[in-house]
Amino acid sequence: KNEVEQSPQNLTAQEGEFITINCSYSVGISALHWLQQHPGGGIVSLFMLSSGKKKHGRLIATINIQEKHSSLHITASHPRDSAVYICAVRDQGGSEKLVFGKGTKLTVNP
Amino acid sequence: EPEVTQTPSHQVTQMGQEVILRCVPISNHLYFYWYRQILGQKVEFLVSFYNNEISEKSEIFDDQFSVERPDGSNFTLKIRSTKLEDSAMYFCASSNLVNTEAFFGQGTRLTVV
Repeated sequence: KNEVEQSPQNLTAQEGEFITINCSYSVGISALHWLQQHPGGGIVSLFMLSSGKKKHGRLIATINIQEKHSSLHITASHPRDSAVYICAVRDQGGSEKLVFGKGTKLTVNP
Repeated sequence: EPEVTQTPSHQVTQMGQEVILRCVPISNHLYFYWYRQILGQKVEFLVSFYNNEISEKSEIFDDQFSVERPDGSNFTLKIRSTKLEDSAMYFCASSNLVNTEAFFGQGTRLTVV
């Protein structure tokens, strides 16, 4: 059973700062997802990755399969980036379910 | 942009009542999922559905729960006799293939009183 840990749990930043959120997992995976959850509750998919690095706008996600670790970076953070960022993994071996971390609550102050 | 739609956005029900949560997945997707998030806790997997049958389910998904795809567009989650501990946000998701990006709906907040 995969255990997904995120750090930090809470993060407060000033507008413009570079943000890093970390995710580690315990068992080999076929894919890792970064998701964003806004206060209203809806979940939006940001990235799905199984190796290397992906970039979308100011967001960058990296994964190190050997170390079972992924990071989500936000460059030039903005108050609208304030949300909960969640890491979720899909185990190897054909499982269809995503196993979620507890999330990192990010607050970006103007 | 295609999206997953869930209705209702909020449902209040009395303990012991049956509820049906509805979802319209993205039209060309083949895999459908239900997840739930109890307030303050992490999102948990309930069930996945492919080719008109359950393909995987968690230990949470007991006999009180059932899923159905009654027509070509809707995907429903039924809770037969709700308990207080069923109060949660329920998310529907869909994906084109099993190991591709999953798209989530906005969620249905279920409150059992």
